[in-house]
Amino acid sequence: GQSLEQPSEVTAVEGAIVQINCTYQTSGFYGLSWYQQHDGGAPTFLSYNALDGLEETGRFSSFLSRSDSYGYLLLQELQMKDSASYFCASESGNTPLVFGKGTRLSVIA
Amino acid sequence: DAGVTQSPTHLIKTRGQQVTLRCSPKSGHDTVSWYQQALGQGPQFIFQYYEEEERQRGNFPDRFSGHQFPNYSSELNVNALLLGDSALYLCASSREWRGSSTEAFFGQGTRLTVV
Repeated sequence: GQSLEQPSEVTAVEGAIVQINCTYQTSGFYGLSWYQQHDGGAPTFLSYNALDGLEETGRFSSFLSRSDSYGYLLLQELQMKDSASYFCASESGNTPLVFGKGTRLSVIA
Repeated sequence: DAGVTQSPTHLIKTRGQQVTLRCSPKSGHDTVSWYQQALGQGPQFIFQYYEEEERQRGNFPDRFSGHQFPNYSSELNVNALLLGDSALYLCASSREWRGSSTEAFFGQGTRLTVV
């Protein structure tokens, strides 16, 4: 089977940096994606890692270690609008995207 | 570009009834995937359609079926509705999935409530 584990909740202060971790067990693993979903909204794509290392997109960075079956999403200069649920999702030959249960990020003043 | 559009946005059905949900993919996308998202959970993959055929299927019973039309739009049908089918149903479109990163664009979803 395939499974992903991520913390259920994270709270961080506006302007700070937060890291959301994700570990996965995925056969035929291709890569790890991250999606953001605001309450009542659609998941929106943030980043994708197929190779080990760090991918940076503005205030968001994502990291992957294939040997450790581990990745994380790093959010810098947190803003109130970043309060949302964040999902890691693995891509494999068996199923296009398998999502974790999500991490609810609360940004406080 | 209208993005991915789903209809209806909300729906209330009675146990045992049947429901059809619709999805129009983003322009230029030919692959449609359907997901079920229960409250507080991540989206669960139902199935994916490409070239009017079901290409991949998740762990969902045969009560869940779908269709893709020549214009790439898609329908999700659920028969014999159960209370547990109450969820947000998301449609995601992408370019043909080749096992590498294809950014999936999600619609706003259909909120189905079974009473």
